[in-house]
Amino acid sequence: GESVGLHLPTLSVQEGDNSIINCAYSNSASDYFIWYKQESGKGPQFIIDIRSNMDKRQGQRVTVLLNKTVKHLSLQIAATQPGDSAVYFCAESFSGGYNKLIFGAGTRLAVHP
Amino acid sequence: NAGVTQTPKFQVLKTGQSMTLQCAQDMNHNSMYWYRQDPGMGLRLIYYSASEGTTDKGEVPNGYNVSRLNKREFSLRLESAAPSQTSVYFCASSEAPWDRGGNEQFFGPGTRLTVL
Repeated sequence: GESVGLHLPTLSVQEGDNSIINCAYSNSASDYFIWYKQESGKGPQFIIDIRSNMDKRQGQRVTVLLNKTVKHLSLQIAATQPGDSAVYFCAESFSGGYNKLIFGAGTRLAVHP
Repeated sequence: NAGVTQTPKFQVLKTGQSMTLQCAQDMNHNSMYWYRQDPGMGLRLIYYSASEGTTDKGEVPNGYNVSRLNKREFSLRLESAAPSQTSVYFCASSEAPWDRGGNEQFFGPGTRLTVL
């Protein structure tokens, strides 16, 4: 499949451990944030989103934390599974900037049995 | 539902050739987008269409044109391909644009384009 990123930072975890993927965003005016998962050869897949009026949001096995003070976003994956191996992207958007998702470079998550 | 489909999956062009990348969505979404993804980088927005009949430039529009043919289809055209346009191209759609309460974008499988 297509190479998503040849020199991405990589997080290696053991199956069953919790994973934390971090992201620093650039625009202090950004008010909407998304995490995407991209498996090799596929398009990005939505995982979870959060608006700037929240600091935490939980989904199924995933939690997103937002710290607007330091412009930091994190994705926590509980009980990481081999199927979680992928590249993870955070993206930010500013509603006044109309429609533009700005993506980070991505982090590769490698889950080892 | 097929979601977002893209054709072709792979394409090799020579410098100066032209081609059109096709994208269609069957989710009745209003907004559609074209991104490119280069190694070591996130996706960058080329063009988007907030609704049928409108198109706007994104972050990296130079060298590209788009057509929102109808609500379902959004095509990306390279008039004179250059090696710098070698990339993976993704089409996406969303129910509504961000400033109208739009949320997640759904992505197609991508087109891998190589320009020699």
